[in-house]
Amino acid sequence: DAGITQSPRHKVTETGTPVTLRCHQTENHRYMYWYRQDPGHGLRLIHYSYGVKDTDKGEVSDGYSVSRSKTEDFLLTLESATSSQTSVYFCAISDQGSNQPQHFGDGTRLSIL
Amino acid sequence: SQQGEEDPQALSIQEGENATMNCSYKTSINNLQWYRQNSGRGLVHLILIRSNEREKHSGRLRVTLDTSKKSSSLLITASRAADTASYFCATAVIQGAQKLVFGQGTRLTINP
Repeated sequence: DAGITQSPRHKVTETGTPVTLRCHQTENHRYMYWYRQDPGHGLRLIHYSYGVKDTDKGEVSDGYSVSRSKTEDFLLTLESATSSQTSVYFCAISDQGSNQPQHFGDGTRLSIL
Repeated sequence: SQQGEEDPQALSIQEGENATMNCSYKTSINNLQWYRQNSGRGLVHLILIRSNEREKHSGRLRVTLDTSKKSSSLLITASRAADTASYFCATAVIQGAQKLVFGQGTRLTINP
């Protein structure tokens, strides 16, 4: 398995609280992605990064921010969590963006009450 | 709207039978990728087929791509219980930067 670690693996929090999810890779891949997976919607891209400090929005970026200060770490922050952000969040990495396969972490299950 | 749409949404077959899943997309692509997801786990890459390719094989997997019809199919031959999973297609659109657009997936169940 590619060296991707997501933390935490599970989290329960309350509406209005800030939440940060971490993705850590040991593969030195340039591209990192955050997706959310919900029943009936498949995987939807939230944000992605194409290098240190270089990020761009995906399909469902409202309410989320990201940061990448080091090659190996990509953080996803929910500034003020809402119940609609209850989901399973996946991080993925790729060496050459969409020209090569993406490798996925095992996900973070986030519940916002 | 989703770039990729998969058909069927769910498929249940007997062990040893072949399973075929289809993916249709809307815009021109650089490549199309198939992934498998076991329950509670992340996606695992299966096959990448480029827009100038028509067919690719990997073990018991066969993927076809018809760019004129904007469609792809994944065939799993001689299915096994361990093939039970969800299968997703993902497209790398030509004007889509370096990101993939995933379909909603096909849930495959192999009955012993």
